[in-house]
Amino acid sequence: DSGVTQTPKHLITATGQRVTLRCSPRSGDLSVYWYQQSLDQGLQFLIQYYNGEERAKGNILERFSAQQFPDLHSELNLSSLELGDSALYFCASSVGRGLREKLFFGSGTQLSVL
Amino acid sequence: GENVEQHPSTLSVQEGDSAVIKCTYSDSASNYFPWYKQELGKGPQLIIDIRSNVGEKKDQRIAVTLNKTAKHFSLHITETQPEDSAVYFCAASGPSSGGSNYKLTFGKGTLLTVNP
Repeated sequence: DSGVTQTPKHLITATGQRVTLRCSPRSGDLSVYWYQQSLDQGLQFLIQYYNGEERAKGNILERFSAQQFPDLHSELNLSSLELGDSALYFCASSVGRGLREKLFFGSGTQLSVL
Repeated sequence: GENVEQHPSTLSVQEGDSAVIKCTYSDSASNYFPWYKQELGKGPQLIIDIRSNVGEKKDQRIAVTLNKTAKHFSLHITETQPEDSAVYFCAASGPSSGGSNYKLTFGKGTLLTVNP
């Protein structure tokens, strides 16, 4: 058990809908990262938050947004969903800002857009 | 931005044999190279990492080598066991756009199967 909790584990929705994925980092970790995993693209970095502030941005679509709350949990919001958004979404956390740090991954949320 | 290529995409070995997975990266500013193991239904887990000021690092049956000049690094697993079967990801940490922050870029993964 990595100590990172992601909910829900599975999510099935329809095109055009909006969903929210939730992540609770390990106790004491200040950074939260979101990754998208698909068979053809592998693990794609979406965004990182450190202590409530956005720190780094990757290939995150404008239809997607995230935030980190004062209690350090994070939410990833996906809107106007398309079939291609179906993927496994991982949250990870680390102690500091992420420079040469070990990331602890949750078990992921499997999103299916029908 | 950083680009990480990983080979092979699948690897099948007999129990007891060695397995080698190779990665190349594009950004010479990258200075941290971790390897993650992902078992079925789980998130990736760090198994070993190496920093750019080191050429080789070993942890029991696992070793990683880094050639900064050629911009490639490799994972070596000796005396493989069935429980080593998983997907392995290499990654490189380099500066994101603007240069003030670092982000981890992953290879596409290698499915390792160890046959008993």
